[in-house]
Amino acid sequence: KNEVEQSPQNLTAQEGEFITINCSYSVGISALHWLQQHPGGGIVSLFMLSSGKKKHGRLIATINIQEKHSSLHITASHPRDSAVYICAVRTGNQFYFGTGTSLTVIP
Amino acid sequence: SQTIHQWPATLVQPVGSPLSLECTVEGTSNPNLYWYRQAAGRGLQLLFYSVGIGQISSEVPQNLSASRPQDRQFILSSKKLLLSDSGFYLCAWSLNLNTGELFFGEGSRLTVL
Repeated sequence: KNEVEQSPQNLTAQEGEFITINCSYSVGISALHWLQQHPGGGIVSLFMLSSGKKKHGRLIATINIQEKHSSLHITASHPRDSAVYICAVRTGNQFYFGTGTSLTVIP
Repeated sequence: SQTIHQWPATLVQPVGSPLSLECTVEGTSNPNLYWYRQAAGRGLQLLFYSVGIGQISSEVPQNLSASRPQDRQFILSSKKLLLSDSGFYLCAWSLNLNTGELFFGEGSRLTVL
């Protein structure tokens, strides 16, 4: 069993739709990260959070420590949001990664 | 500001040939350094991590090795590549803090023929 589970695995949305990607984890963590990977392969960090909620532009990330669950929301989705979104958790010096959610936003 | 570079970006090597991927970090000191491999449809697999010069922890037994000759340099090597070594390799760094962010290099795509 993976330490980090993401859903859905694949997601197709129409431009403008509200999108939610979910992440559940089974280990104790010090922080949870949401990452974005574009087709070229590079990975950028979107959020790092250990409690509550963070917002950056059209992206919102929430975490519920008690339920060991996090969500990434994208409001007013745009084709440029098409990418793989990866959830990762930190335990000490180690990071555990979900397998990613492949998002395609259609114009 | 902090940056991380890894190279080469793309590599095609024959089976049995050696490998050297290099990663350097700028703008920070004493980072934790990581080598990951990403296979299609799978999460990032930790290969090696290092918390300091000469300190390497290996997570997966295989024919790869890592070295950290300088504080901000991390090298992934192999003496003889296998077909199964093909994949996308990512270097990353984070500060030794529970809430340190994780930063990735551009990645190196290795094809072993």
